[in-house]
Amino acid sequence: DQQVKQNSPSLSVQEGRISILNCDYTNSMFDYFLWYKKYPAEGPTFLISISSIKDKNEDGRFTVFLNKSAKHLSLHIVPSQPGDSAVYFCAAGGGTSYDKVIFGPGTSLSVIP
Amino acid sequence: GAVVSQHPSWVICKSGTSVKIECRSLDFQATTMFWYRQFPKQSLMLMATSNEGSKATYEQGVEKDKFLINHASLTLSTLTVTSAHPEDSSFYICSARVMGSSSYEQYFGPGTRLTVT
Repeated sequence: DQQVKQNSPSLSVQEGRISILNCDYTNSMFDYFLWYKKYPAEGPTFLISISSIKDKNEDGRFTVFLNKSAKHLSLHIVPSQPGDSAVYFCAAGGGTSYDKVIFGPGTSLSVIP
Repeated sequence: GAVVSQHPSWVICKSGTSVKIECRSLDFQATTMFWYRQFPKQSLMLMATSNEGSKATYEQGVEKDKFLINHASLTLSTLTVTSAHPEDSSFYICSARVMGSSSYEQYFGPGTRLTVT
């Protein structure tokens, strides 16, 4: 039972355009969401987070939107750059465990120069 | 800040031997560390939550006698894969939460590639 879903395994975007990565969750107890970026053979790097009391959080080129009623969040990258090419993981925390977060399967983003 | 290191970065061992992987928080203290495993083209699978000074909490399906976790200090957690077999070959990643942080944010190490021959 996958509690955090990223239904697009891959995404290709032209450099300079917007990248939109989507994430859905099933557990309504989740109250904190994070996005991580991962290059091959490296550990994930934290990008941006959002708590359930907000519906938007912005940090430079990265914006995360949260729609609690739809149990959906998205990460927008504008403008996309070739260095953004990586696997992006959505993660959710809360519910029965304060400590741990549940990761989605990831979306591989390719930004084409 | 918030740097996590892992050692070794890669290791090859023979079937039946044990391998220890270290996870260190270099510039912060971490009461909680996490161990993940990642198979090729798959997501991060949480194996266990490691708490300083207490026993680790293992996720369902993870053999605690095979994957020994010791969180000896506020900056060090170790994962020992005992009697390793080829199916244990994987990418192991640790992460740590800053002590006292109210955030879920975890800082990840660079990972350890284990190959069992």
